[in-house]
Amino acid sequence: KAGVTQTPRYLIKTRGQQVTLSCSPISGHRSVSWYQQTPGQGLQFLFEYFSETQRNKGNFPGRFSGRQFSNSRSEMNVSTLELGDSALYLCASSSAQGAQNTGELFFGEGSRLTVL
Amino acid sequence: EDQVTQSPEALRLQEGESSSLNCSYTVSGLRGLFWYRQDPGKGPEFLFTLYSAGEEKEKERLKATLTKKESFLHITAPKPEDSATYLCAVQGVDYKLSFGAGTTVTVRA
Repeated sequence: KAGVTQTPRYLIKTRGQQVTLSCSPISGHRSVSWYQQTPGQGLQFLFEYFSETQRNKGNFPGRFSGRQFSNSRSEMNVSTLELGDSALYLCASSSAQGAQNTGELFFGEGSRLTVL
Repeated sequence: EDQVTQSPEALRLQEGESSSLNCSYTVSGLRGLFWYRQDPGKGPEFLFTLYSAGEEKEKERLKATLTKKESFLHITAPKPEDSATYLCAVQGVDYKLSFGAGTTVTVRA
């Protein structure tokens, strides 16, 4: 069974640009969550989607947005990039069905974003 | 706001030298406490879920325990392949996961 796939793995952007990251969850998983990981702040929750609906959100500015498609694939977008957005962005999927996430997540390898 | 504090930040062990990692937490209604392992350049890998005080889970050389205020991850007779960063997370009433900063374990042969 294929794991969570994230693309691209690495990217470099400049301040003010925008970026879109993609995530394909494990087949059959309908819940997709996004996290930002930095050395200073650790892993921080961005948002979670289930059946194309955002059902939970972390404390990030509106520049961070996401969406989920009918095949459960998800994208996140960061607009007007700032230097502080440099981080590893991790996507995780869960087999949780109607219930909220159990916390047992399957993570991808992440997309490492560098903002210059 | 839910908070998770892990200690120590780093732990260097000799192969076979058992030790414990600590995860202390404050949470509004604990739904679950989770341990993950993260290798360099990889995403975290799920290890355990603990739901209530007194619960214990084991997997190979790892054993996780839970009290009302903290969790311990015991590593028994570690091997070099146990070297990784171990992350603790709690899930509160809002279903969000809050992660600790992690403990980086290095096991020397």
